[in-house]
Amino acid sequence: NAGVTQTPKFQVLKTGQSMTLQCAQDMNHEYMSWYRQDPGMGLRLIHYSVGAGITDQGEVPNGYNVSRSTTEDFPLRLLSAAPSQTSVYFCASSYTASGGARDEQFFGPGTRLTVL
Amino acid sequence: SQKIEQNSEALNIQEGKTATLTCNYTNYSPAYLQWYRQDPGRGPVFLLLIRENEKEKRKERLKVTFDTTLKQSLFHITASQPADSATYLCASNTGNQFYFGTGTSLTVIP
Repeated sequence: NAGVTQTPKFQVLKTGQSMTLQCAQDMNHEYMSWYRQDPGMGLRLIHYSVGAGITDQGEVPNGYNVSRSTTEDFPLRLLSAAPSQTSVYFCASSYTASGGARDEQFFGPGTRLTVL
Repeated sequence: SQKIEQNSEALNIQEGKTATLTCNYTNYSPAYLQWYRQDPGRGPVFLLLIRENEKEKRKERLKVTFDTTLKQSLFHITASQPADSATYLCASNTGNQFYFGTGTSLTVIP
């Protein structure tokens, strides 16, 4: 199993540009999520999905869109990049998020994004 | 709103000693707490989960406790080794949303 994969590893954007961060998992997990990690702020949830066709907002959703057309893929779209979106982005997946042992999250390697 | 807090100060300990990291939660009662390890430039890796009705959980040199009265979880690494140096995160979820602490950076000095 490849686990959770993310592309690209690094990206530099100019203010106003759009892009999509890709995330895929091959563990047949129902739950997938996107986080951003900033110094001193920890991991903050952007969007999550409890299954194909179902997405919802997390703690910091503004400026980001997601979709979940398949169980495997959960792309994150930046609509119009801003310097405040400079961060490290992690995708994660788990079997569930229902309060039990199957909530163990598997993380991808991260995407380091810089917006100039 | 619910919050998970960890001591943001870095923790330095001598090899062979026990490291103890703290995770406090406020404004909610999590059904469980998770602990993750994160190395520089990498994604977090799951270590342990402890449920609210479990006082203590062990895995090799790791031990986690959950005190619902103090609203606190303690994470212990016994016989610490330089390879244990990393940032350790605690997390929980409520309503399908996961919340993470800011992490505590641990350095084990040879």
